[in-house]
Amino acid sequence: EVQLVESGGGLVQPGGSLRLSCAVSGLTFSDYWMSWVRQAPGKGLEWVANMKQDGSAKNYVDSVKGRFTISRDNAKNSLYLQMNSLRAEDTAVYYCAGTRSVVDVWGQGTTVTVSS
Amino acid sequence: DIQMTQSPSSLSASVGDRVTITCRASQGIRNDLGWYQQKPGKAPKRLIYAASSLQSGVPLRFSGSGSGTEFTLTISSLQPEDFATYYCLQHNSYPLTFGGGTKVEIK
Repeated sequence: EVQLVESGGGLVQPGGSLRLSCAVSGLTFSDYWMSWVRQAPGKGLEWVANMKQDGSAKNYVDSVKGRFTISRDNAKNSLYLQMNSLRAEDTAVYYCAGTRSVVDVWGQGTTVTVSS
Repeated sequence: DIQMTQSPSSLSASVGDRVTITCRASQGIRNDLGWYQQKPGKAPKRLIYAASSLQSGVPLRFSGSGSGTEFTLTISSLQPEDFATYYCLQHNSYPLTFGGGTKVEIK
C-alpha cells in the first residue's frame, strides 16, 4: 500500500521556522518527482515547490523563494520542506505529492498555522 | 506565470446530470494539464492526466478534452459521490498553477 505521511506542522509565530517531513512507503521513492502543495483555509490549491528524483532540480513559487527550501533523502524515502521567515499568509494545510509518469499520489496533509 | 481561469466557480446539479467544467490557460500549454477532485478534509485525487487520459480506477463517466488554451472536464452522469470541488493544474511551465476550483453541489 502506498503511503505518504506528512508531519511537522503546528502553530508558529510570524518570523518563525518549521520543518515539514513526508515519509513515503509502498513505492520506489527515488523514481518520483516530489512536490509540496498547500491550501489556505477555505481557499484553493497552490503549488509550492517540487524536486527532481535525484535532487538536481528544484522549483519554487515566487512567494516562498528565499524562505522555503525543499529537500529529499532517497535513502530514507523522505521529502522535506524547511520553512523560514513564516508569514500569516503561509497558514495552510501542506500536502506532499509524488508523480511518476501516469502515477500521482498524495499524503493527507499537515496543518501549519502562523499566528501570534 | 500562466494563469488558469476555471469556470464556473460553482454549480448546482442533480444526480444523472451532465456536468462540464472549463479551464482556460493564459498561454498555450499543449496538453500539460490534469484534473483533480477534492472532497472536504481530503487530499486531492487526480482524475485526468495529459488533458484527456483517464487515471486508472477512475469511473468512465469522467472525461477530459482540449489542448493549447481550452480544456474541459465532463462528468457524463453525475453520481452522489461526485459532489466535490474540482481543480485543473497546468504543468507546462513554472510555477505550476491551479485553476480556482469548481464546487459541484447538489441541486
